[in-house]
This record gives sequence, C-alpha cells and structure tokens, in this order.
Amino acid sequence: DGGITQSPKYLFRKEGQNVTLSCEQNLNHDAMYWYRQDPGQGLRLIYYSQIVNDFQKGDIAEGYSVSREKKESFPLTVTSAQKNPTAFYLCASNSGRDVNNEQFFGPGTRLTVL
Amino acid sequence: AQSVTQLDSQVPVFEEAPVELRCNYSSSVSVYLFWYVQYPNQGLQLLLKYLSGSTLVKGINGFEAEFNKSQTSFHLRKPSVHISDTAEYFCAVSDLTSGSARQLTFGSGTQLTVLP
Repeated sequence: DGGITQSPKYLFRKEGQNVTLSCEQNLNHDAMYWYRQDPGQGLRLIYYSQIVNDFQKGDIAEGYSVSREKKESFPLTVTSAQKNPTAFYLCASNSGRDVNNEQFFGPGTRLTVL
Repeated sequence: AQSVTQLDSQVPVFEEAPVELRCNYSSSVSVYLFWYVQYPNQGLQLLLKYLSGSTLVKGINGFEAEFNKSQTSFHLRKPSVHISDTAEYFCAVSDLTSGSARQLTFGSGTQLTVLP
C-alpha cells in the first residue's frame, strides 16, 4: 500500500540536543512538507520541497533544517536553536502536478523535550 | 496572503444530532478549499474538497460542505453524528497562484465531541 511513514512515533530529547525526524513516502510524489502542530494553533508550515535537492522555508523555519537527497525522503532536524521544540510534527506530500493540491499526511511524530 | 478562521474551537453535540462546523477564509484570489479530520495522535485525513463547479460538496463519512463565495465561507455539516465522529477538524485553503508547491493554510481547528 502506498503512503507516508514517519518514525519514531514518540521521541524524547534533552535540551541542547539535535534530533532528526524521519519521513518517507512511496507515492512517487514530487512535493513534501513538514508541519508543526501545537494545541489551538492548527498546523504551521516549517519547510517544503518541490523537487529533489531543493527546499524552501515555510512560516516557522528558525531552529529547523531539512534535506531532500532522495525523492522518497525528507528528514527534519530539530536543532538546539529551536527554543520550544515540544510539539506534534506532521509530514505530508502531494504530487506537485495535480491542480487539486490534495496533501497526504503521515501519522506524525510527537517530540518531547525533557 | 490568505487566512482561515474556524469560529468554534470546541463543539459538543449529542449523538444523532446535526452539526455544523464553521470556516471562513480570506483571500484576494480564487481558492481551493479542504476539510481534514484528525483522530487523536494520528495524521490528517481528507474529508472533502472544493475545486470548482457545484458549491455543495459531499465527502466521506456522511459529511458535506457548502462553498459560499459571497460570504467567503466553507462550512462543514453532517445531519446525524456518531460517537466515532469525535475528532478534530481542520479547514484549509490553497490559492491558485502559489505555484506547483500549492501551500495549504490551515485554520486553528475545531474539536468535535459527540456525547452519548
């Protein structure tokens, strides 16, 4: 079955540590996205990528970094510069070609900073 | 720039009652509109979408939404809810000029709680 996988489901980190969240898709989608979700704030865009080896900052990119070396993979690194990293992180993708722009979401990773 | 306002953060409703979740958007250009549902600790699942054509859109699980251009609204409705509809619902908008990446702007969400 095609879809998006995120790992791990739960992640704990100590303050000052960098941590990388995995996102893989087998939908052959060109575009991939990372969102952060906080209670009562909806989803906010961190980074997005339209094609391999290219990505753009979203609304809240500070303290985060990404890479897009393969079409299937779009890992997100939460750096120590992110002041309030505890949140639910969602990865999404779409074909990048369809006019309907439906995004497909992974199951999410809940990051807790101890 | 575009924005989405979901007017109710929490909506409690009894089982088998009708429900309406409100969504208003702001955009200077034509838009696509979406409703997503999120169950606890899960990703988002598409309920329905409006691209063009008929303003009444039917989605999964018995939900429907009506696009009203003059009121810039896209309210979600269901005539009879079930306990299993308890979830958070997000309205989202994408404008037709944002390029191939077609970014989505999300509302802050509405928690629907169906009571027995």
